[in-house]
Amino acid sequence: DTGVSQDPRHKITKRGQNVTFRCDPISEHNRLYWYRQTLGQGPEFLTYFQNEAQLEKSRLLSDRFSAERPKGSFSTLEIQRTEQGDSAMYLCASSLAGGVGSYEQYFGPGTRLTVT
Amino acid sequence: GENVEQHPSTLSVQEGDSAVIKCTYSDSASNYFPWYKQELGKGPQLIIDIRSNVGEKKDQRIAVTLNKTAKHFSLHITETQPEDSAVYFCAASKTGGFKTIFGAGTRLFVKA
Repeated sequence: DTGVSQDPRHKITKRGQNVTFRCDPISEHNRLYWYRQTLGQGPEFLTYFQNEAQLEKSRLLSDRFSAERPKGSFSTLEIQRTEQGDSAMYLCASSLAGGVGSYEQYFGPGTRLTVT
Repeated sequence: GENVEQHPSTLSVQEGDSAVIKCTYSDSASNYFPWYKQELGKGPQLIIDIRSNVGEKKDQRIAVTLNKTAKHFSLHITETQPEDSAVYFCAASKTGGFKTIFGAGTRLFVKA
């Protein structure tokens, strides 16, 4: 499978717990993005990496959220002290940097988080 | 701030008819406009895109038009089929392709 993969696909947690999601991008893609999608809305940009460097963060990404991409391959998104408002689909996408196709972002299936 | 508005929010057509979805964007520096199709339980899938140096692009039954002066772009699906039923999102971004701003989506129903 050469697509973007995300794990887990579903996560149910209690308010106040920490959760961590993983994203594995398409192997030759050096850009990786995280988005959040709530019901009936389009994806909202959270953050983006080029290789291991986190180059931009949305103001949606509060200090309870942290993302890493330690070796420029897979990425993790951690949410600390989860709140009910964090319930959403968390999407990961990847793309090339530079050249033909550098704009095109390919999405994974998402991780659906439910905070009870 | 940056914003993409999308209309209509819901669209119902008969199989074989055409469907048109329209979007407007606020940031005049935007130069890349992708369209995504999202089926239930799946991530968005890129179906077509257009860059600011062209006014129209076609791929089989799907076409996209762009009017940079008016800052709007549209998706046209001809000869619709039941499998076209999904949520469609327009989006806009600037050079580099990051921080893509998405519209709120259009739920398309194609009735057999």
